Amino acid sequence: TQLLEQSPQFLSIQEGENLTVYCNSSSVFSSLQWYRQEPGEGPVLLVTVVTGGEVKKLKRLTFQFGDARKDSSLHITAAQPGDTGLYLCAGEDNGGSQGNLIFGKGTKLSVKP
Amino acid sequence: KAGVTQTPRYLIKTRGQQVTLSCSPISGHRSVSWYQQTPGQGLQFLFEYFSETQRNKGNFPGRFSGRQFSNSRSEMNVSTLELGDSALYLCASSQIDRSVNGYTFGSGTRLTVV
Repeated sequence: TQLLEQSPQFLSIQEGENLTVYCNSSSVFSSLQWYRQEPGEGPVLLVTVVTGGEVKKLKRLTFQFGDARKDSSLHITAAQPGDTGLYLCAGEDNGGSQGNLIFGKGTKLSVKP
Repeated sequence: KAGVTQTPRYLIKTRGQQVTLSCSPISGHRSVSWYQQTPGQGLQFLFEYFSETQRNKGNFPGRFSGRQFSNSRSEMNVSTLELGDSALYLCASSQIDRSVNGYTFGSGTRLTVV
């Protein structure tokens, strides 16, 4: 069974601080996706990383895909209250539910002004 | 371009009842997937429909079922509700290559079973 482990589970920081969220697996994924979910809403896709070692930037957010395609990280520079939310990583399930995405349990980020 | 629409947004049901949730995908998206989200388990895959056919099913009991109509709208049904079915039910529509293009989620239906 493929699993995606995210850490930390919870993160509470002050505005302006930097942070990194991790998504790890023992399985190889062809790609990984990052979503952000705000309370009362569905997750929204932030980025997809496809190539091992790939780095993608989205304003103050930097996403990296591990060389072996088993892990990914999300780094936020100078966090702002608007970054508050649940960050989820997801990868394609190559097992029983072929083609569907499996999700990590998420990192709940709170950025205080 | 309209997003994914889920109705209703909130539901309160009693144990033993049944419930039907509705999802209208983005126009042109033929795949609709359903997920259950709880604080303890996170997002868990329920099933996926493509062109009116169930293509994949997650590890949920037979009380959970769904269908898709010719206009790609989908419904899911939960019969004989249990307290543990209380969750946010999310519908996501996608094009074929979701491993790259990802899902577009609706805002979900918050189901509370009392």
